[in-house]
Amino acid sequence: DAKTTQPNSMESNEEEPVHLPCNHSTISGTDYIHWYRQLPSQGPEYVIHGLTSNVNNRMASLAIAEDRKSSTLILHRATLRDAAVYYCILRDSGAGSYQLTFGKGTKLSVIP
Amino acid sequence: ETGVTQSPTHLIKTRGQQVTLRCSSQSGHNTVSWYQQALGQGPQFIFQYYREEENGRGNFPPRFSGLQFPNYSSELNVNALELDDSALYLCASSLGAAGAGAKNIQYFGAGTRLSVL
Repeated sequence: DAKTTQPNSMESNEEEPVHLPCNHSTISGTDYIHWYRQLPSQGPEYVIHGLTSNVNNRMASLAIAEDRKSSTLILHRATLRDAAVYYCILRDSGAGSYQLTFGKGTKLSVIP
Repeated sequence: ETGVTQSPTHLIKTRGQQVTLRCSSQSGHNTVSWYQQALGQGPQFIFQYYREEENGRGNFPPRFSGLQFPNYSSELNVNALELDDSALYLCASSLGAAGAGAKNIQYFGAGTRLSVL
């Protein structure tokens, strides 16, 4: 799987929007962009995924650059419960793409 | 719909011992993946089982082995425990198989914290 680069940590004020960046300059045309997050003392939790177009769901929005070399996870109003490590992961749609390859992620702190 | 459950939640073993960790998949899921997460690191893929067959393996030695049962629950076995095996072990279930993985969502349990002394 192609590699991703994320900032080690970010801070946000409660009820403010948060933009979490991810660079993936070696992304291939068949790579999906996935985001998972891991709250303290829990397993990772799926957030959102996309291929080319921007995506929205009840948890977040995913903005994908036109050249697909970067993406941004957007939390529209951060809450204390959103404090977690956020992982940006590329998944190849080719055969054998069965595992998630996690990096170190971005640790998001939310300030009350 | 029940989520992914893992047991036990915590475990302490001594070096050289063997350990078995258990995972119950989310209802309707036929694929189970196991991950090891060292402190401060992201989870690392150990292996995956699909319909009771190993379906892919990460860079882990053969002393890490597993099973998947007809009800799709799974076990992770680790023999000859080493101090570096101390970690959080995560199980994730999903619906699908290799090749369908790119859009496939994995649902994780809360993990088993293993300490090797």
